[in-house]
Amino acid sequence: GAVVSQHPSWVICKSGTSVKIECRSLDFQATTMFWYRQFPKQSLMLMATSNEGSKATYEQGVEKDKFLINHASLTLSTLTVTSAHPEDSSFYICSASPLVGAPDTQYFGPGTRLTVL
Amino acid sequence: SQQGEEDPQALSIQEGENATMNCSYKTSINNLQWYRQNSGRGLVHLILIRSNEREKHSGRLRVTLDTSKKSSSLLITASRAADTASYFCATGRVYSGGGADGLTFGKGTHLIIQP
Repeated sequence: GAVVSQHPSWVICKSGTSVKIECRSLDFQATTMFWYRQFPKQSLMLMATSNEGSKATYEQGVEKDKFLINHASLTLSTLTVTSAHPEDSSFYICSASPLVGAPDTQYFGPGTRLTVL
Repeated sequence: SQQGEEDPQALSIQEGENATMNCSYKTSINNLQWYRQNSGRGLVHLILIRSNEREKHSGRLRVTLDTSKKSSSLLITASRAADTASYFCATGRVYSGGGADGLTFGKGTHLIIQP
């Protein structure tokens, strides 16, 4: 159990377009979902925390108008990269914290590789 | 914000040998976790150790935590070629109001097991 999926697994887009990435908890409900970004050969950096039904909390330096997060249900959060540019090319990983269970447990999705041309 | 630091950044050993990776952090934590990541793939959770624990085992993995030194180590015994991956420590902050909190990841150790 405790599976988190992401869609798409990879995407290539043109500069200036918007890309939506979905994060779903398949077999559990998640009160909180997190979005991380990982540049090549670097570590993961927390971008934002989203709680179902409320506005996301962004980490310092992350533009909330560029990275739109919607957490409309207990099993789905979406990250939209608006007006993407080549510097937004990265590996985006989400994680979900279950409604039931230890709050410090997070289940990670497989990641989405975004390439902006 | 705190930032975990792993050392070494890269480690290459022979299959069958033990691999030790270290992690240091800067602020108070609720727990520390270790993850593995194969190249270009998602994360695999290895082990979580809470701030009131000093040592934890899981199969060939042994994790220690020293909160006075703000450091942790991950030992992989009898390494296998399949253990080749990047290993990250991640810390969870002390909760201020309950609920989950985002993790702060270290820079990672790239481990290569030579057959």
